[in-house]
Amino acid sequence: QQPVQSPQAVILREGEDAVINCSSSKALYSVHWYRQKHGEAPVFLMILLKGGEQKGHEKISASFNEKKQQSSLYLTASQLSYSGTYFCGTRGDSSASKIIFGSGTRLSIRP
Amino acid sequence: DGGITQSPKYLFRKEGQNVTLSCEQNLNHDAMYWYRQDPGQGLRLIYYSQIVNDFQKGDIAEGYSVSREKKESFPLTVTSAQKNPTAFYLCASSISSSAAENQPQHFGDGTRLSIL
Repeated sequence: QQPVQSPQAVILREGEDAVINCSSSKALYSVHWYRQKHGEAPVFLMILLKGGEQKGHEKISASFNEKKQQSSLYLTASQLSYSGTYFCGTRGDSSASKIIFGSGTRLSIRP
Repeated sequence: DGGITQSPKYLFRKEGQNVTLSCEQNLNHDAMYWYRQDPGQGLRLIYYSQIVNDFQKGDIAEGYSVSREKKESFPLTVTSAQKNPTAFYLCASSISSSAAENQPQHFGDGTRLSIL
């Protein structure tokens, strides 16, 4: 089942913060986050495993709440280069050989 | 530099025609994937392969076919049975498809397919 991302789109001014959520109706084993710029390939950001871990990647971090079956991506002090569409991808269990992607959150950063 | 190469970048299909999209990787990855992306939508899995000479259908396999005769190559054929083929097609690979290993997927730059 496809995870649900929110919001669908967000517009920020440079330096502002954003949170992107990814929710599933089923239990999650892991959550993958990718960013895609228009017309380009998605680029891997990070993977989170069940266990409620939190990861960081420069000013981009994420959390995974296993009980709530959701993950959140945090972008702090946003830069123009953060613009793009962010996708979460989920695996339901350790035997799952494929990732199911959400429909994406479009992030626009203005100077 | 290792990576995934998709070709062509743009492709046009006539009615009733089959077309093949190329995907080659030199990352020595076992698993390869094909996704379809429609405007404003996420990535939908067409086919995936966990190992040479083996592949499985994804969520939207109808009208598509694949082969995996070599580890580095995973071509996708869009057949005439696919009535709405206009989309952006992305190929990806990962070291393994095993969830336990939790490896990221690396994507090619995509092929944009349109109907003439």
